[in-house]
Amino acid sequence: EADIYQTPRYLVIGTGKKITLECSQTMGHDKMYWYQQDPGMELHLIHYSYGVNSTEKGDLSSESTVSRIRTEHFPLTLESARPSHTSQYLCASSQGTSQETQYFGPGTRLLVL
Amino acid sequence: KNQVEQSPQSLIILEGKNCTLQCNYTVSPFSNLRWYKQDTGRGPVSLTIMTFSENTKSNGRYTATLDADTKQSSLHITASQLSDSASYICVVSDRGSTLGRLYFGRGTQLTVWP
Repeated sequence: EADIYQTPRYLVIGTGKKITLECSQTMGHDKMYWYQQDPGMELHLIHYSYGVNSTEKGDLSSESTVSRIRTEHFPLTLESARPSHTSQYLCASSQGTSQETQYFGPGTRLLVL
Repeated sequence: KNQVEQSPQSLIILEGKNCTLQCNYTVSPFSNLRWYKQDTGRGPVSLTIMTFSENTKSNGRYTATLDADTKQSSLHITASQLSDSASYICVVSDRGSTLGRLYFGRGTQLTVWP
Protein backbone atom coordinates (compact mmCIF):
# COMPACT_ATOMS: atom_id res chain seq x y z
CA GLU A 1 0.00 0.00 0.00
CA ALA A 2 1.10 3.55 -0.72
CA ASP A 3 2.22 5.80 2.12
CA ILE A 4 -0.43 8.44 1.67
CA TYR A 5 -2.93 9.20 4.39
CA GLN A 6 -6.18 11.10 4.64
CA THR A 7 -8.13 12.23 7.67
CA PRO A 8 -10.88 12.12 8.57
CA ARG A 9 -12.11 9.07 6.68
CA TYR A 10 -15.75 10.07 7.25
CA LEU A 11 -17.21 13.46 8.15
CA VAL A 12 -20.79 14.56 8.73
CA ILE A 13 -21.17 18.29 9.20
CA GLY A 14 -23.81 20.98 9.12
CA THR A 15 -24.21 23.65 6.45
CA GLY A 16 -22.04 26.71 6.90
CA LYS A 17 -19.26 25.02 8.86
CA LYS A 18 -15.61 25.40 7.92
CA ILE A 19 -13.80 22.11 7.33
CA THR A 20 -10.28 21.02 6.47
CA LEU A 21 -9.51 17.66 4.90
CA GLU A 22 -6.00 16.49 5.66
CA CYS A 23 -3.66 14.68 3.27
CA SER A 24 -0.10 13.60 3.99
CA GLN A 25 2.40 11.45 2.10
CA THR A 26 5.75 10.11 3.25
CA MET A 27 7.12 9.19 -0.18
CA GLY A 28 8.75 12.57 -0.82
CA HIS A 29 6.62 13.13 -3.93
CA ASP A 30 6.65 16.61 -5.44
CA LYS A 31 3.24 16.41 -7.10
CA MET A 32 0.00 16.15 -5.15
CA TYR A 33 -3.62 16.19 -6.27
CA TRP A 34 -7.17 16.43 -4.95
CA TYR A 35 -9.99 14.66 -6.75
CA GLN A 36 -13.73 14.66 -6.18
CA GLN A 37 -15.68 11.48 -6.90
CA ASP A 38 -19.43 10.94 -6.74
CA PRO A 39 -20.86 7.38 -6.65
CA GLY A 40 -20.62 5.65 -10.01
CA MET A 41 -18.93 8.63 -11.60
CA GLU A 42 -15.41 9.39 -12.76
CA LEU A 43 -12.83 11.20 -10.68
CA HIS A 44 -12.59 14.94 -11.29
CA LEU A 45 -9.42 16.88 -10.59
CA ILE A 46 -10.14 19.92 -8.40
CA HIS A 47 -6.64 21.01 -7.27
CA TYR A 48 -3.02 20.07 -7.87
CA SER A 49 0.43 21.13 -6.76
CA TYR A 50 3.86 20.74 -8.35
CA GLY A 51 5.66 21.43 -5.10
CA VAL A 52 5.93 23.70 -2.08
CA ASN A 53 4.10 27.02 -2.56
CA SER A 54 2.69 25.82 -5.90
CA THR A 55 -1.07 25.25 -6.22
CA GLU A 56 -3.36 25.25 -9.25
CA LYS A 57 -7.05 24.73 -9.84
CA GLY A 58 -8.09 21.59 -11.67
CA ASP A 59 -10.72 20.90 -14.28
CA LEU A 60 -13.75 20.88 -12.01
CA SER A 61 -14.67 24.19 -10.47
CA SER A 62 -14.55 23.93 -6.71
CA GLU A 63 -15.23 26.34 -3.89
CA SER A 64 -12.47 24.70 -1.88
CA THR A 65 -8.93 26.02 -1.42
CA VAL A 66 -5.62 24.25 -0.87
CA SER A 67 -2.18 25.07 0.47
CA ARG A 68 1.25 23.45 0.11
CA ILE A 69 3.55 24.76 2.81
CA ARG A 70 5.38 21.46 3.24
CA THR A 71 6.18 18.81 0.64
CA GLU A 72 4.38 16.08 2.53
CA HIS A 73 1.21 17.97 3.41
CA PHE A 74 -1.62 19.14 1.11
CA PRO A 75 -4.75 20.12 3.06
CA LEU A 76 -8.05 21.08 1.41
CA THR A 77 -10.34 23.63 3.06
CA LEU A 78 -14.01 24.48 2.60
CA GLU A 79 -14.78 27.83 4.23
CA SER A 80 -18.54 27.26 4.32
CA ALA A 81 -19.78 23.73 3.64
CA ARG A 82 -22.99 23.22 1.66
CA PRO A 83 -25.00 20.07 0.82
CA SER A 84 -23.68 20.28 -2.77
CA HIS A 85 -20.21 19.58 -1.36
CA THR A 86 -21.30 16.10 -0.29
CA SER A 87 -18.96 13.73 -2.08
CA GLN A 88 -15.84 11.60 -1.72
CA TYR A 89 -12.55 13.47 -1.81
CA LEU A 90 -9.43 11.58 -2.87
CA CYS A 91 -5.87 12.82 -2.43
CA ALA A 92 -3.04 11.48 -4.60
CA SER A 93 0.66 12.04 -5.14
CA SER A 94 3.23 11.25 -7.80
CA GLN A 95 6.88 11.91 -8.56
CA GLY A 96 8.50 13.04 -11.77
CA THR A 97 6.97 12.93 -15.22
CA SER A 98 3.46 12.20 -16.43
CA GLN A 99 4.53 8.55 -16.78
CA GLU A 100 4.66 8.23 -13.02
CA THR A 101 1.80 6.44 -11.34
CA GLN A 102 -0.39 8.42 -8.99
CA TYR A 103 -0.77 6.87 -5.56
CA PHE A 104 -4.12 7.50 -3.91
CA GLY A 105 -5.10 7.88 -0.30
CA PRO A 106 -8.15 6.06 1.12
CA GLY A 107 -10.40 9.07 0.65
CA THR A 108 -12.65 11.20 2.85
CA ARG A 109 -16.40 10.73 2.56
CA LEU A 110 -18.06 14.07 3.32
CA LEU A 111 -21.76 14.49 4.08
CA VAL A 112 -23.05 18.03 4.54
CA LEU A 113 -26.50 18.25 6.07
CA LYS B 1 -13.44 16.14 -26.63
CA ASN B 2 -11.14 13.74 -24.82
CA GLN B 3 -13.12 10.92 -23.29
CA VAL B 4 -12.75 7.49 -21.75
CA GLU B 5 -15.68 5.10 -22.01
CA GLN B 6 -15.86 1.81 -20.14
CA SER B 7 -18.12 -1.20 -20.56
CA PRO B 8 -19.93 -2.89 -19.11
CA GLN B 9 -21.03 -0.52 -16.37
CA SER B 10 -21.43 -3.47 -14.00
CA LEU B 11 -20.73 -7.18 -14.16
CA ILE B 12 -21.54 -10.16 -11.94
CA ILE B 13 -19.58 -13.39 -12.30
CA LEU B 14 -19.13 -16.56 -10.30
CA GLU B 15 -15.94 -17.24 -8.42
CA GLY B 16 -13.36 -19.01 -10.57
CA LYS B 17 -14.68 -17.63 -13.86
CA ASN B 18 -12.81 -15.32 -16.22
CA CYS B 19 -14.01 -11.94 -17.39
CA THR B 20 -12.96 -9.10 -19.69
CA LEU B 21 -13.56 -5.40 -19.16
CA GLN B 22 -13.43 -2.91 -22.01
CA CYS B 23 -12.12 0.64 -22.34
CA ASN B 24 -12.42 2.91 -25.40
CA TYR B 25 -10.79 6.31 -25.46
CA THR B 26 -10.50 9.35 -27.68
CA VAL B 27 -7.65 11.03 -25.78
CA SER B 28 -5.05 12.60 -28.04
CA PRO B 29 -2.10 12.91 -28.02
CA PHE B 30 -1.83 9.62 -26.16
CA SER B 31 0.85 9.03 -23.51
CA ASN B 32 -0.16 5.98 -21.52
CA LEU B 33 -3.10 3.97 -20.25
CA ARG B 34 -3.52 2.64 -16.74
CA TRP B 35 -5.98 0.27 -15.12
CA TYR B 36 -6.78 0.93 -11.49
CA LYS B 37 -8.67 -1.21 -8.98
CA GLN B 38 -10.81 0.65 -6.46
CA ASP B 39 -12.24 -1.28 -3.53
CA THR B 40 -15.37 0.15 -1.92
CA GLY B 41 -14.47 3.03 0.37
CA ARG B 42 -10.83 3.03 -0.69
CA GLY B 43 -8.63 4.95 -3.10
CA PRO B 44 -7.71 3.48 -6.52
CA VAL B 45 -4.65 1.23 -6.73
CA SER B 46 -2.67 0.89 -9.97
CA LEU B 47 -2.76 -2.54 -11.64
CA THR B 48 -1.00 -1.96 -14.97
CA ILE B 49 0.40 0.83 -17.11
CA MET B 50 0.97 0.65 -20.88
CA THR B 51 2.59 3.07 -23.26
CA PHE B 52 1.95 3.44 -26.99
CA SER B 53 4.36 0.66 -27.96
CA GLU B 54 3.07 -1.95 -25.53
CA ASN B 55 0.32 -4.36 -26.56
CA THR B 56 -0.05 -6.38 -23.39
CA LYS B 57 0.94 -6.20 -19.74
CA SER B 58 0.29 -8.73 -16.99
CA ASN B 59 0.09 -8.42 -13.22
CA GLY B 60 -0.69 -11.79 -11.72
CA ARG B 61 -4.21 -12.80 -12.77
CA TYR B 62 -4.75 -9.43 -14.46
CA THR B 63 -3.78 -8.99 -18.12
CA ALA B 64 -4.28 -5.71 -19.91
CA THR B 65 -4.16 -5.25 -23.68
CA LEU B 66 -3.85 -2.08 -25.71
CA ASP B 67 -4.64 -1.39 -29.37
CA ALA B 68 -3.42 2.15 -29.93
CA ASP B 69 -4.71 2.15 -33.52
CA THR B 70 -8.33 1.53 -32.54
CA LYS B 71 -7.87 3.27 -29.16
CA GLN B 72 -9.15 0.31 -27.23
CA SER B 73 -7.94 -1.50 -24.13
CA SER B 74 -9.17 -4.50 -22.22
CA LEU B 75 -8.52 -5.92 -18.79
CA HIS B 76 -8.83 -9.69 -18.51
CA ILE B 77 -9.19 -11.27 -15.09
CA THR B 78 -8.43 -14.97 -14.85
CA ALA B 79 -9.84 -17.37 -12.26
CA SER B 80 -11.71 -14.65 -10.39
CA GLN B 81 -11.68 -14.49 -6.61
CA LEU B 82 -14.09 -12.89 -4.17
CA SER B 83 -11.45 -10.23 -3.47
CA ASP B 84 -11.64 -9.15 -7.11
CA SER B 85 -14.99 -7.51 -6.34
CA ALA B 86 -14.27 -3.82 -6.92
CA SER B 87 -14.55 -1.01 -9.44
CA TYR B 88 -11.99 -1.16 -12.26
CA ILE B 89 -11.09 2.22 -13.68
CA CYS B 90 -9.41 2.94 -17.00
CA VAL B 91 -7.25 6.07 -16.95
CA VAL B 92 -5.62 7.62 -20.01
CA SER B 93 -2.86 10.23 -19.88
CA ASP B 94 -2.14 12.72 -22.64
CA ARG B 95 1.13 14.34 -23.65
CA GLY B 96 -0.40 17.75 -24.12
CA SER B 97 0.87 19.36 -20.95
CA THR B 98 3.59 19.16 -18.33
CA LEU B 99 0.99 17.85 -15.90
CA GLY B 100 0.25 14.85 -18.09
CA ARG B 101 -3.47 15.30 -17.77
CA LEU B 102 -5.38 12.19 -16.71
CA TYR B 103 -8.76 11.23 -18.13
CA PHE B 104 -10.78 8.85 -16.00
CA GLY B 105 -13.47 6.41 -17.04
CA ARG B 106 -16.46 5.85 -14.77
CA GLY B 107 -15.33 2.34 -14.00
CA THR B 108 -16.80 -1.14 -14.29
CA GLN B 109 -18.27 -2.42 -11.04
CA LEU B 110 -17.33 -6.12 -10.80
CA THR B 111 -19.03 -8.39 -8.31
CA VAL B 112 -17.73 -11.92 -7.79
CA TRP B 113 -20.20 -14.33 -6.19
CA PRO B 114 -19.20 -17.53 -4.42
